[in-house]
Amino acid sequence: GQQVMQIPQYQHVQEGEDFTTYCNSSTTLSNIQWYKQRPGGHPVFLIQLVKSGEVKKQKRLTFQFGEAKKNSSLHITATQTTDVGTYFCAGIRSGEQLTFGSGTQLTVLP
Amino acid sequence: GAGVSQSPRYKVTKRGQDVALRCDPISGHVSLYWYRQALGQGPEFLTYFNYEAQQDKSGLPNDRFSAERPEGSISTLTIQRTEQRDSAMYRCASSWLAGPGLGNEQFFGPGTRLTVL
Repeated sequence: GQQVMQIPQYQHVQEGEDFTTYCNSSTTLSNIQWYKQRPGGHPVFLIQLVKSGEVKKQKRLTFQFGEAKKNSSLHITATQTTDVGTYFCAGIRSGEQLTFGSGTQLTVLP
Repeated sequence: GAGVSQSPRYKVTKRGQDVALRCDPISGHVSLYWYRQALGQGPEFLTYFNYEAQQDKSGLPNDRFSAERPEGSISTLTIQRTEQRDSAMYRCASSWLAGPGLGNEQFFGPGTRLTVL
């Protein structure tokens, strides 16, 4: 079945440093979604990427979808304490369900 | 209420008992999904509905698990003869459009933490 791997599993950064999480699928995806889950909270949708090579920005967050539509990344510039949480990618293959990665847990040290 | 609600928020039961977990999706949302999330992991798909029709139940672990959405709104996930390995956070999500897929963001509920003793 489809597998979605995410690295790193954990990341500690000093406030103001940048952060990147990477997502890799064993199969080609039709699209990919990113979610953020705060400690003790539930996953909240951030964005969806559809096109090969697509790049989307949301303020300090930059999302990329690979040319082969098998990998994706989320980059946060100048992290803030409000960025703390676990970031999940979730891939979709045509006709199938969301497959979530295991997430990257981000800790931001003040 | 604006969001997806789930009840109970916490459920402690003894092995062998049946449990029913309820999900109340956002009003008007077509699709409803059930996931199971282990600590430190991403949500794992169990089953989903478009309106009242169960479209995919391929993620249900075994026949002790079942789900229904009889009127196309509230859904119940039932686990019969619970086992300790069933202990997890069970999350419900809903979305505006039918199916998973293009443009179809999912709105998650707070989850039910199930503990089987």
